[in-house]
Amino acid sequence: EAGVTQSPTHLIKTRGQQATLRCSPISGHTSVYWYQQALGLGLQFLLWYDEGEERNRGNFPPRFSGRQFPNYSSELNVNALELEDSALYLCASSSGLAVAKNIQYFGAGTRLSVL
Amino acid sequence: AQKVTQAQTEISVVEKEDVTLDCVYETRDTTYYLFWYKQPPSGELVFLIRRNSFDEQNEISGRYSWNFQKSTSSFNFTITASQVVDSAVYFCALRDSNYQLIWGAGTKLIIKP
Repeated sequence: EAGVTQSPTHLIKTRGQQATLRCSPISGHTSVYWYQQALGLGLQFLLWYDEGEERNRGNFPPRFSGRQFPNYSSELNVNALELEDSALYLCASSSGLAVAKNIQYFGAGTRLSVL
Repeated sequence: AQKVTQAQTEISVVEKEDVTLDCVYETRDTTYYLFWYKQPPSGELVFLIRRNSFDEQNEISGRYSWNFQKSTSSFNFTITASQVVDSAVYFCALRDSNYQLIWGAGTKLIIKP
């Protein structure tokens, strides 16, 4: 069974551009989570989607946005890129059931570099 | 406020030594879940264990063991007879009442041959 897949693996952009990151969840999972992991920092929660709806978002500016498609895959968009957006962006998926205890399974991440 | 503290930023041991990674959490919830994940250099977070607040039994899985103590709000992770492949960053996390994972800062474990 395929795990969580993210694309691209690496992405290089310049300041002010837009970046689009993609995530395909494990088959049968309806929830997708996005995290930012900047160098030397821990994981910061960005967004949670379930059944196509945004359920929660972390403390990030509105230029971080996303969506979830009918097949449960997801896109993270970062507009007006800033140097400090350079980070590893991790996507995780989980079952939409028993949210309190479900396990999030992670992809390998997209490393975004903003020059 | 919900919080997870991993006070050990980096630990370095020689192969075959035992090592314990500490995790202390804060929560006002009576029902909660705790997790450990491993992040090898490849970057992908690998799920290791989930423990709910009502189950204080220690757990052993091969060379890995976990000690959960509600009295001290700790959920420590021990690797017995460490191996070079255990080198990674290990994260402890707490599920909060909004169903989000609150992450510790991680402990970088270096196992030297």
